[in-house]
Amino acid sequence: NAGVMQNPRHLVRRRGQEARLRCSPMKGHSHVYWYRQLPEEGLKFMVYLQKENIIDESGMPKERFSAEFPKEGPSILRIQQVVRGDSAAYFCASSPPSGRSGNTIYFGEGSWLTVV
Amino acid sequence: KNQVEQSPQSLIILEGKNCTLQCNYTVSPFSNLRWYKQDTGRGPVSLTIMTFSENTKSNGRYTATLDADTKQSSLHITASQLSDSASYICVVSIMNSGGYQKVTFGTGTKLQVIP
Repeated sequence: NAGVMQNPRHLVRRRGQEARLRCSPMKGHSHVYWYRQLPEEGLKFMVYLQKENIIDESGMPKERFSAEFPKEGPSILRIQQVVRGDSAAYFCASSPPSGRSGNTIYFGEGSWLTVV
Repeated sequence: KNQVEQSPQSLIILEGKNCTLQCNYTVSPFSNLRWYKQDTGRGPVSLTIMTFSENTKSNGRYTATLDADTKQSSLHITASQLSDSASYICVVSIMNSGGYQKVTFGTGTKLQVIP
């Protein structure tokens, strides 16, 4: 049972380009979370999705950032017109269907975005 | 405001020694508390998870405690090894009405184990 798979692991973009980060949750997991970790800082919640639905995007910047989790395929975090301040590690996590407070959230290895 | 505070921010210990990391939270209503280990350049890996009714949980050399009354948790590492060098993150969850976990992360304790 593969873990949470993220790709690319490292991505370099010039200012103004678009970055697309992909996340395949663990098998059987229907909940996907995206977090951002700036250098030397803790993880910050961005968005929570279930299949085809954005449930909570309270942590997403209002502009340039979007996320989706289609019926088929991985979840995508899209950053348009990247700026230097977007340079960070972006972590995806997944958890089983809701109902149990003891559900563990499993993290991927992260995608490191560098904007030059 | 939901907050999770960890102390110390950083810690250096000798290989073989024990250490204890602290986590205080104000998250409410509390659902569960987890400790994660994050190696440099890697994703966080779960060490322990505790609900409000549990006050201790062990995973090998790692033992977590939880006092839901004082809203404090600790992670005790026994007989530290060089591979324990990492950031340790306390994560507190709310199970909200939508049936999903909204988590608040602590900023972590950076542990360095030296020979």
